[in-house]
Amino acid sequence: QKEVEQNSGPLSVPEGAIASLNCTYSDRGSQSFFWYRQYSGKSPELIMSIYSNGDKEDGRFTAQLNKASQYVSLLIRDSQPSDSATYLCAVNAGGTSYGKLTFGQGTILTVHP
Amino acid sequence: DAGVTQSPTHLIKTRGQQVTLRCSPKSGHDTVSWYQQALGQGPQFIFQYYEEEERQRGNFPDRFSGHQFPNYSSELNVNALLLGDSALYLCASSHRDRGGKLFFGSGTQLSVL
Repeated sequence: QKEVEQNSGPLSVPEGAIASLNCTYSDRGSQSFFWYRQYSGKSPELIMSIYSNGDKEDGRFTAQLNKASQYVSLLIRDSQPSDSATYLCAVNAGGTSYGKLTFGQGTILTVHP
Repeated sequence: DAGVTQSPTHLIKTRGQQVTLRCSPKSGHDTVSWYQQALGQGPQFIFQYYEEEERQRGNFPDRFSGHQFPNYSSELNVNALLLGDSALYLCASSHRDRGGKLFFGSGTQLSVL
């Protein structure tokens, strides 16, 4: 079992729709969760962080965390073609692994006009 | 405010050679992490440096080594290059108290022939 697993893509949604990206993790002691966006040929950039159960909203983005189910998701409302990118889920175990992020394989999102 | 800078941007080496990649962190950041990203995969953690010491290490062989200098810049060295070392090498900087909030450089694309 992979440590961090993302829903297989690619995911294609029409402009204006809600894109839903999912991620599960295996280490129940994980403490911090992140979503990074990576445009083709570019480096990852942080778009959301979440640390406690529930929802966290930032503009069109909502991150959801359920530690009991070991599940993290990212919702993108009113999707735009500029949202087309690879979305990477990343998990930090905390404690002695404080400095280490474990990434999923990424989900490619395409938003078509 | 300069972001994370990496050099060189591209590198071609042959099997068995050695390579050194360089990274300057974002202003105000004191922690540097290195990641390897194969095509179509998420970044994999190599190691992290803080206060000139290796603080965390991922599942990479000893052929991968690093260094951090007093000005927080860092180097990644890979000895005895293998074909499988071909990848994008990403440097990420952060503040010691903000674990997973990484700022990535544009990366070094290493090709081993």
